[in-house]
Amino acid sequence: QQPVQSPQAVILREGEDAVINCSSSKALYSVHWYRQKHGEAPVFLMILLKGGEQKGHEKISASFNEKKQQSSLYLTASQLSYSGTYFCGTPETHYGQNFVFGPGTRLSVLP
Amino acid sequence: ETGVTQSPTHLIKTRGQQVTLRCSSQSGHNTVSWYQQALGQGPQFIFQYYREEENGRGNFPPRFSGLQFPNYSSELNVNALELDDSALYLCASSGTGEYGYTFGSGTRLTVV
Repeated sequence: QQPVQSPQAVILREGEDAVINCSSSKALYSVHWYRQKHGEAPVFLMILLKGGEQKGHEKISASFNEKKQQSSLYLTASQLSYSGTYFCGTPETHYGQNFVFGPGTRLSVLP
Repeated sequence: ETGVTQSPTHLIKTRGQQVTLRCSSQSGHNTVSWYQQALGQGPQFIFQYYREEENGRGNFPPRFSGLQFPNYSSELNVNALELDDSALYLCASSGTGEYGYTFGSGTRLTVV
């Protein structure tokens, strides 16, 4: 079962902040975040692991609440290059198998 | 290091035909996953291969099959194509001890 994301879309001005949420009805073993620009491949941004470990993009932060089965991606002082669709994803098993993505959040940053 | 490369980039097939898509994983990566992405939607997991063995499968019918070769490159085969198979097919690779998946640019399949 795929994660749920909110909001579906958000429009910002350069320099504004945004939060994208990801939640699941099932246990989250880890959470990945990817950004996909129109016509391009998804690009890995960050992974959040149980226990609080994070690995990824220096200018993007995220949180992972294991008990609530939720993760949030924080985009601060947004730049035009942040525009794209953001997907969260998670493996369905502890061993990392059957990776499922959320439906995506479309972010548009305007000058 | 080379990234993930997929071929062909675009393909048009007729309903009922068969298609083979190819993927070369990033150097050093031993796991390959395939995804189907319809327009405006998130990638849907098809299956994953680890060291030439299928290591997980999504909710796709058996006419979707795959292979992984000793050099960790991979193929996705789809038989009896249907109109709904029209989508972007993405290949992603990852390595032991690494985090995150590296995606290829995809193959755009159109079934007419």
